Amino acid sequence: LAKTTQPISMDSYEGQEVNITCSHNNIATNDYITWYQQFPSQGPRFIIQGYKTKVTNEVASLFIPADRKSSTLSLPRVSLSDTAVYYCLVGDINFNKFYFGSGTKLNVKP
Amino acid sequence: DAGVIQSPRHEVTEMGQEVTLRCKPISGHNSLFWYRQTMMRGLELLIYFNNNVPIDDSGMPEDRFSAKMPNASFSTLKIQPSEPRDSAVYFCASSVHTDTQYFGPGTRLTVL
Repeated sequence: LAKTTQPISMDSYEGQEVNITCSHNNIATNDYITWYQQFPSQGPRFIIQGYKTKVTNEVASLFIPADRKSSTLSLPRVSLSDTAVYYCLVGDINFNKFYFGSGTKLNVKP
Repeated sequence: DAGVIQSPRHEVTEMGQEVTLRCKPISGHNSLFWYRQTMMRGLELLIYFNNNVPIDDSGMPEDRFSAKMPNASFSTLKIQPSEPRDSAVYFCASSVHTDTQYFGPGTRLTVL
């Protein structure tokens, strides 16, 4: 499994854009990049998934450079309710096996 | 849809006792996953099933742990005998094959 490296924690303020970068130097050709969000006392929740370039949905954007050795989750105009742990996962979706890692604890301040 | 259902939500037991955690996946989902989360080790995949068949159990810590999926709507994770180091939050998740995994609320297990 390709392992991922993320910052342990980040602070931000309401209304700001937050970018969380994940390193995955050993990503394989068939691997996809997936981000999950976890609030305290809840299970992780899917945010976004991509293979290359840029993916955008109603919640976030995911930027993946050409070499795919890293990816950046972008959260536009965060609010207090975005305070959570964000996990970057890399894995072959055909084998359904992902390494969650330790995640990035995002703290949004008023 | 009610989402993934897990029971019990909290379990406190004594060392040596048998513990059974239960999971009902989302209807129509054919893949089911059991995870364990602790502060020290984070979120670990224990085992996953596809169409009720265990596909990968390499994450199961030891023989004290066993998981079954007798049908498409029910799975159990059993620990026998339980030990204090098994204390953790256990999550069940389900998906449609290789699509997004939907997690349940988790079972917080405390072994005294």
